[in-house]
Amino acid sequence: DIQMTQSPFTLSASVGDRVTITCRASQSIGSWLAWYQQKPGKAPKLLIYRASSLESGVPSRFSGSGSGTEFTLTISSLQPDDFATYFCQQYNSYSRTFGQGTKVEIK
Amino acid sequence: EVQLLESGGGLVQPGGSLRLSCAASGFTFNTYAMNWLRQAPGKGLEWVSGISGSDGGTYYADSVRGRFTISRDNSKNTLYLQMSSLRADDTAVYYCAKDTSLMGLSYFDYWGQGTLVTVSS
Repeated sequence: DIQMTQSPFTLSASVGDRVTITCRASQSIGSWLAWYQQKPGKAPKLLIYRASSLESGVPSRFSGSGSGTEFTLTISSLQPDDFATYFCQQYNSYSRTFGQGTKVEIK
Repeated sequence: EVQLLESGGGLVQPGGSLRLSCAASGFTFNTYAMNWLRQAPGKGLEWVSGISGSDGGTYYADSVRGRFTISRDNSKNTLYLQMSSLRADDTAVYYCAKDTSLMGLSYFDYWGQGTLVTVSS
């Protein structure tokens, strides 16, 4: 299976900060990467697909970039509603795999 | 509005069986692959199994192959996961998720609320 590694595990930030989360794949996955946001007790919510395409209804402060093995999720100006855990997911192979998650906490 | 509603979770003893269901609405069910994913308490997300929308091709994670069976009834817009030989490490919230393509191999644009499966004696 393709291994996905996110960094950092935890990120402490303040409202208004620019936040960047990194996801690395163990082999090239082209642009077949999605990002999700998950809040406690809730199902994940799709934010980004195909590495940089914004899902309908997702605020434009979220953006994604990268290709091959290295990808980033950026929140341009952190809002109170953005404190959550974020996961990347590859879909280059049928056995879809996720990163371990990055928890964005209030500083 | 797309809705996915899981049911069937609960407490089961090690070695036991359980069947999960996912009732889908708000989209043309038989034109999308469907999946089961899980999340152990305090842990990350794991894709468990998927089934294509048309020919019923099925796919499994190594961790469940031979113990779990995914199926769908397109006439009832319902997805199933038959789980047997359950182990403690199968304890998790199980999510039903819609694929964005007919055959699968894509990301998940809609998720259910999840159903908790606890394997314990």
